[in-house]
Parts: sequence; structure tokens; C-alpha cells
Amino acid sequence: AQSVTQLDSHVSVSEGTPVLLRCNYSSSYSPSLFWYVQHPNKGLQLLLKYTSAATLVKGINGFEAEFKKSETSFHLTKPSAHMSDAAEYFCVVSGGGGSQGNLIFGKGTKLSVKP
Amino acid sequence: NAGVTQTPKFQVLKTGQSMTLQCAQDMNHNSMYWYRQDPGMGLRLIYYSASEGTTDKGEVPNGYNVSRLNKREFSLRLESAAPSQTSVYFCASRGLAGGLTGTDTQYFGPGTRLTVL
Repeated sequence: AQSVTQLDSHVSVSEGTPVLLRCNYSSSYSPSLFWYVQHPNKGLQLLLKYTSAATLVKGINGFEAEFKKSETSFHLTKPSAHMSDAAEYFCVVSGGGGSQGNLIFGKGTKLSVKP
Repeated sequence: NAGVTQTPKFQVLKTGQSMTLQCAQDMNHNSMYWYRQDPGMGLRLIYYSASEGTTDKGEVPNGYNVSRLNKREFSLRLESAAPSQTSVYFCASRGLAGGLTGTDTQYFGPGTRLTVL
């Protein structure tokens, strides 16, 4: 069975400093992995997704994530935080194995950005 | 191209009342999903529909029913609302994106914020 664990429920950074949001996954299959972002009172927007083509995945708004199979991790990073990055971020694994593409969500990491 | 739309945006119900949440997508996707989002819980799958005419239970189906009316529309019904169903409900549809490896992506609607008193 697939599962995903976001290691921090809340991360606070200062504007202009790096962002690291941590995610570990468990999967019986070669996983599909995603990061979604949710701004306050908004829907979910896809930031980036992992395909088997490349382990370093670049997404929108300067975010990227690295798939590390040996560590079963898919951490999200950004070199320099912006105030507009304040939001909740979800690490997601696709169910795979005939589950009709069902997504399994982590519990989310709330990112605060201080001026 | 509106993507995934949901109605209503907000709703307040009394315990025992019924209502239907509507979802439509204009991306010609086969698969559609209903999730609920509760604080600290992420999103949990209620029901999904892999194609027109089929529906299946997800992680938390109790108290809900769904109808896949046609390829575009997928509705979620609460027959007798309970306070435990207070939540934000998201509809999603799934289609191929970036198609190099067939990895597909779910696209989400804006959500319905439901309060049951």
C-alpha cells in the first residue's frame, strides 16, 4: 500500500531565505509523486510532479523537488522564499497498482513567510 | 475553458437536511473524484468514478452517495447531513498531462465549504 508522510506540519522562514518542505513516501510500486499548493481559501494547484524521466523535477514559481529512491524521499525546495509562497503544501503519491490513479495525500505543511 | 467547476461555493445545513454538491469538468476526462478536506488531515477520497457509468468507494464513503450523470458531471449527495460532515469538499478530474510517460494529473475545483449545524 502507498502512504506519504510530511515531516513538518508547519515551517516558518524569512523572505529571501531557502525553503525546505520534507516528504517521505512508501510505495509497493514505482510511484508517481506530486506536490500541490493550496493558498488560503483556494483550491489546489499542481506545483510539480515526478515522472521516471528525471529525479530532479522543476515546478512552477521556482520550486523543485528531488526524488531519492534510496531515502524514499521527495523533498520540496526553493532557493529564496517570497511572501506569496505562504500557503499549505501537500505531498501526494498516486495509488498505482490498479487503483484508478487515486491520490493519497499527506497531511500538509503550512508555510509561513516572515518579512 | 473553465476546468473543474463546483457549486455551491458555500452552504449551511441543519442536521438531517439533504443536499447535492455539483461538479462539472470540460476537459473530456474519464475519471472524476470527490474529496473532503479537514484540518490536519489532508484530503481524503470519498468516492471516485473511473468512467461514465461507474462509481467506487474511496476511503471515507459513509454518509454519501454519488452519481456520474454523464462524462462531464459527477455529483455528491448527503442524504441526511450530520455535523461530522462539516468540511470543505473538492471535486477533481484526471487526465493525461505532459504525456511523455503517461503520468496523469488530477485537476481540482475551487471547493465547497459546507457547515452542518
